[in-house]
Amino acid sequence: DTGVSQDPRHKITKRGQNVTFRCDPISEHNRLYWYRQTLGQGPEFLTYFQNEAQLEKSRLLSDRFSAERPKGSFSTLEIQRTEQGDSAMYLCASSPGTGAGNTIYFGEGSWLTVV
Amino acid sequence: GNSVTQMEGPVTLSEEAFLTINCTYTATGYPSLFWYVQYPGEGLQLLLKATKADDKGSNKGFEATYRKETTSFHLEKGSVQVSDSAVYFCALSAGNQFYFGTGTSLTVIP
Repeated sequence: DTGVSQDPRHKITKRGQNVTFRCDPISEHNRLYWYRQTLGQGPEFLTYFQNEAQLEKSRLLSDRFSAERPKGSFSTLEIQRTEQGDSAMYLCASSPGTGAGNTIYFGEGSWLTVV
Repeated sequence: GNSVTQMEGPVTLSEEAFLTINCTYTATGYPSLFWYVQYPGEGLQLLLKATKADDKGSNKGFEATYRKETTSFHLEKGSVQVSDSAVYFCALSAGNQFYFGTGTSLTVIP
């Protein structure tokens, strides 16, 4: 299996611009998660999908953030009107489903710097 | 609610020293417990996991035992190497969610 892949790995953008990140999960994994991580902190949950359905969103996810998984495969995370506080690493993860010991597998992350 | 508390770092050890990183959790129900490792500039990699009380997860010389009575999942390694230098995250899975600690940075010096 290829792992979770994310693109781009690094993005520098000016404040106010929109950015989009893409995530390709491990094939046949029906769950896909987005997390945000800042320096010195653990991953913070943003949202997750079961197939193409977005089942849960964190209160951290402001109206400027939107995520999609249109065909239940890859996912995109868009941030509109970026702010300096959005600078972080955005992590995507996938898992095969529910049940005891269900494990999530992370991608390499997409670093965002807002200047 | 569900949460994970890790010992704060950073931790600095000499090569071949014994490692313990403490992790305690609060959870409703019966969570699964995990340790993930993160190398600089990379995502998190699964290190080991345990799905029920008294289970021991192990991988690459690292071990952790799921202790329900003390709600703990401490990470141990008998002899660390320079290549073990990384940030270690304790996590729990409950329902559809995963909850992570803040991470413990480990530096191993030759």
